[in-house]
Amino acid sequence: DQQVKQNSPSLSVQEGRISILNCDYTNSMFDYFLWYKKYPAEGPTFLISISSIKDKNEDGRFTVFLNKSAKHLSLHIVPSQPGDSAVYFCAASARAGNQFYFGTGTSLTVIP
Amino acid sequence: DSGVTQTPKHLITATGQRVTLRCSPRSGDLSVYWYQQSLDQGLQFLIQYYNGEERAKGNILERFSAQQFPDLHSELNLSSLELGDSALYFCASQPSGRFQETQYFGPGTRLLVL
Repeated sequence: DQQVKQNSPSLSVQEGRISILNCDYTNSMFDYFLWYKKYPAEGPTFLISISSIKDKNEDGRFTVFLNKSAKHLSLHIVPSQPGDSAVYFCAASARAGNQFYFGTGTSLTVIP
Repeated sequence: DSGVTQTPKHLITATGQRVTLRCSPRSGDLSVYWYQQSLDQGLQFLIQYYNGEERAKGNILERFSAQQFPDLHSELNLSSLELGDSALYFCASQPSGRFQETQYFGPGTRLLVL
């Protein structure tokens, strides 16, 4: 049973515009969320995280929003750059557990 | 470069065979995780080791086993291989295995079972 879902397998955005990647989860015990970026032939690299005590976390061009009532988080990239083209995974974990649950990824293409 | 190394990069083998995947964590990291990524799937957590001891188990098949050695490198053993075991296998390391620590991923081993 997939506890973390990324329902959009792919997304294309023009350079300079906003990219919005979405993620839904089912387990209300999750209280820590992360986004990873993955380029071909490389492992995922950590991008940004958010704890459930916050509803927003910002790091440069990347902002993650958390809506606990909707069990939904999103990653905003503004402005999008061609180098942002990659697969983005969201992941979640619960303080009581010690494993991360990953979504299936969204492939972002930023068109120059 | 995350500092996590995995060997081999690619592995092609036949059904019924056994393979060993190797992971060296970042210097100083005590915790190692193993993940499997099959086609169109997210990363599925397999198992975690911390300082040589198994700490958590995920969806790991009984045909699979792992260990972490005193020098902290880890090996994932896959036996009686089936076609469905073809996947990317990642390991990741963390300094102390606390759930809010960032995991640093290796480049993965791509396994193809024919």
